[in-house]
Amino acid sequence: AQKITQTQPGMFVQEKEAVTLDCTYDTSDQSYGLFWYKQPSSGEMIFLIYQGSYDEQNATEGRYSLNFQKARKSANLVISASQLGDSAMYFCAMSDNSGGYNKLIFGAGTRLAVHP
Amino acid sequence: GAGVSQSPRYKVAKRGQDVALRCDPISGHVSLFWYQQALGQGPEFLTYFQNEAQLDKSGLPSDRFFAERPEGSVSTLKIQRTQQEDSAVYLCASSPASVTDTQYFGPGTRLTVL
Repeated sequence: AQKITQTQPGMFVQEKEAVTLDCTYDTSDQSYGLFWYKQPSSGEMIFLIYQGSYDEQNATEGRYSLNFQKARKSANLVISASQLGDSAMYFCAMSDNSGGYNKLIFGAGTRLAVHP
Repeated sequence: GAGVSQSPRYKVAKRGQDVALRCDPISGHVSLFWYQQALGQGPEFLTYFQNEAQLDKSGLPSDRFFAERPEGSVSTLKIQRTQQEDSAVYLCASSPASVTDTQYFGPGTRLTVL
């Protein structure tokens, strides 16, 4: 069965510094997708970044980058130049495509606090 | 354009009551998902619709949970005879079509069962 593990319940970072949020995954599938979502206190899940298992380049979206290490089954999120508005819960997820649609499997999340 | 909307945002129910949670997906999105997020945990899959067809309901916790999407757009998640363990945030997400498409989430409905 597929599984996502986020080992950091909470992280804090100084404003303007970079931070890495860890994510490891377990799957026997060859084709899968990895996602990061941000959930502020308002509750909405905001899509940040996507990495396909066959993508050779690490995904980047503005200040977000995904450090994809396939052999280690890790998909860490790097946030550069942290801002106060980055304080939120962050969830790593992977897609289970076995049914022909991408059902998402989520980790337990990491709460990030950005300090001024 | 408009994102995914859900209503109500908050719902308080007495144990044993029936509740109905509504999801309006992004216009034209074929796929619609429901997830349940317990306090302090990540979302867990409940059910999936492709247009009006419910193709996967493997995550529904019991037969008290029922979902529908009769015209392939708006979806309703109904919980009958609510129990305290049903207290959670219920998230709806939609995506355009293919397996690689990103899912876009609504703000969720926070259900509290007293």
